[in-house]
Amino acid sequence: GAGVSQTPSNKVTEKGKYVELRCDPISGHTALYWYRQSLGQGPEFLIYFQGTGAADDSGLPNDRFFAVRPEGSVSTLKIQRTERGDSAVYLCASSLKRGSEAFFGQGTRLTVV
Amino acid sequence: AQSVTQLDSQVPVFEEAPVELRCNYSSSVSVYLFWYVQYPNQGLQLLLKYLSGSTLVESINGFEAEFNKSQTSFHLRKPSVHISDTAEYFCAVTVNTGGFKTIFGAGTRLFVKA
Repeated sequence: GAGVSQTPSNKVTEKGKYVELRCDPISGHTALYWYRQSLGQGPEFLIYFQGTGAADDSGLPNDRFFAVRPEGSVSTLKIQRTERGDSAVYLCASSLKRGSEAFFGQGTRLTVV
Repeated sequence: AQSVTQLDSQVPVFEEAPVELRCNYSSSVSVYLFWYVQYPNQGLQLLLKYLSGSTLVESINGFEAEFNKSQTSFHLRKPSVHISDTAEYFCAVTVNTGGFKTIFGAGTRLFVKA
């Protein structure tokens, strides 16, 4: 597609539920990143994929968070047993190769009630 | 560990006045440096970047930033701002090793007043 697409744009879920957030990167981009942005703060790194593999998952806050990119294109961020503190905008970005300019999606606003 | 500090959370300025948004970083290895802009209700967009070469980099809409290695700074400047420059500006650092993850500062809200 023309840009990075994230779905849904908004997600409201109840505490304790499971959610999946989807990212469709720019075609041909091998690097994919997930970030989380809380109100009034900058994006916080979660995980980086190079192709199908997670090259750096050091930003995932705990084992309730998991992400996959099985075919090296679309990625899904999965959050189990959601907590109110997980509420934030989750951003996805992709780049042609590692270290090059990253293009960001519009984000998914997750609200846990 | 790498970190990015944006020294001002908000910068109010009158239209046509100059502005400087400050950014300092810490890293023990070489880095790439970026400024991203987020306009109201829009996604993050790259404003300008320093990868190597000339330490002064410019954007197409009049912003410039200078990489100062000795002071570990990458301040963003514009000689004359417009109302349309009102946005959140994020400084970011990509470590030039391993996973190439990008670390962002907390952001500076530039508010241009008429």
